[in-house]
Amino acid sequence: AQSVTQLDSQVPVFEEAPVELRCNYSSSVSVYLFWYVQYPNQGLQLLLKYLSGSTLVESINGFEAEFNKSQTSFHLRKPSVHISDTAEYFCAVSEYNFNKFYFGSGTKLNVKP
Amino acid sequence: DGGITQSPKYLFRKEGQNVTLSCEQNLNHDAMYWYRQDPGQGLRLIYYSQIVNDFQKGDIAEGYSVSREKKESFPLTVTSAQKNPTAFYLCASITTGNTEAFFGQGTRLTVV
Repeated sequence: AQSVTQLDSQVPVFEEAPVELRCNYSSSVSVYLFWYVQYPNQGLQLLLKYLSGSTLVESINGFEAEFNKSQTSFHLRKPSVHISDTAEYFCAVSEYNFNKFYFGSGTKLNVKP
Repeated sequence: DGGITQSPKYLFRKEGQNVTLSCEQNLNHDAMYWYRQDPGQGLRLIYYSQIVNDFQKGDIAEGYSVSREKKESFPLTVTSAQKNPTAFYLCASITTGNTEAFFGQGTRLTVV
């Protein structure tokens, strides 16, 4: 079974500063990788995903993540954060031939003015 | 619009009661999942179903039950055997090939 590790439970950052949220997983065998965002009292929304092809994937609101197979990582980055980015972010892994999603414990991003 | 609908948004349960959380999807997905979310613990899998009339226990199934009589519906019952049911419950459906999970807006259950 996969395991997903998000080492930082909380990340405080000032507005317009860069941020990186870290995600590591246990196995790189035929995996798909995801970042989801959750606002208070809401469900999870897909932010971006890696299925195949280019290892760098981007979201429409300026986030990007890079699939690093050798380090089994999928860190999420944004060069300049906004107050509206304050939310909890979950990294997730799935496997093509095994019908399960594995989620990390989440990272709360708190953007301060 | 296609999506997943969870109801109710807020639910209060008395000690010893069973309650049922609704989850309906119109995305035509075979696989549906129930997760429990507690502060600082991420998402924990309760039950999942890959096809109608079939379901499997997840990591924390004790005190919960499910049914999957229709492709569109996957209700979760929180029984009186669940000793600490207060939590945020999320339902999801997953595309064939596991290329994306779609979530409902969640149900917050509180024991009073």
